[in-house]
Amino acid sequence: DAGVIQSPRHEVTEMGQEVTLRCKPISGHNSLFWYRQTMMRGLELLIYFNNNVPIDDSGMPEDRFSAKMPNASFSTLKIQPSEPRDSAVYFCASSLARGGTYEQYFGPGTRLTVT
Amino acid sequence: GQSLEQPSEVTAVEGAIVQINCTYQTSGFYGLSWYQQHDGGAPTFLSYNALDGLEETGRFSSFLSRSDSYGYLLLQELQMKDSASYFCAVRVTGGFKTIFGAGTRLFVKA
Repeated sequence: DAGVIQSPRHEVTEMGQEVTLRCKPISGHNSLFWYRQTMMRGLELLIYFNNNVPIDDSGMPEDRFSAKMPNASFSTLKIQPSEPRDSAVYFCASSLARGGTYEQYFGPGTRLTVT
Repeated sequence: GQSLEQPSEVTAVEGAIVQINCTYQTSGFYGLSWYQQHDGGAPTFLSYNALDGLEETGRFSSFLSRSDSYGYLLLQELQMKDSASYFCAVRVTGGFKTIFGAGTRLFVKA
């Protein structure tokens, strides 16, 4: 299996621009997570989906952030407009509860820099 | 509120044993996970405990005491490649919502 795929791996944009991050989960997994990691705030759960339905978006920082999962093999996280404080590494992870382990498989991340 | 406490840094020598503790206060508790993250990499799953006791996987073991809201990760026969950050994470709902600790940076010295 190719694992969780994220694109782009690096994104540099100017403040005010729209940013779209993409994720392809592991085939067969039914849960998908978006995390943000910074030195100051650590690893934060932004939103997670189960069977393509958003279950908990309480971690989405503000209305500038939105996420979609139109089908089981694709999800996007959009920031519009972007701000310098959005600079972080954004991880997508997917999971399938099996044997009670609830293991999450993380993608390589997208390093976002907003100038 | 939700809080997970773990030491910020631990240093140990190659071949030694190190224990990384995690205490938690969360609105719900369904299990405790541990993840490893090397610099510039993604978190990778190490272990998951839903019930009290010790789980062993090779050189790594994880322990949970639900009554004490406490767990630890034990790393034996330390190797240089074990230098990384280690995160405890609590599954706080019957679904998948997971809260991560701030991480413990482990330095392994020769």
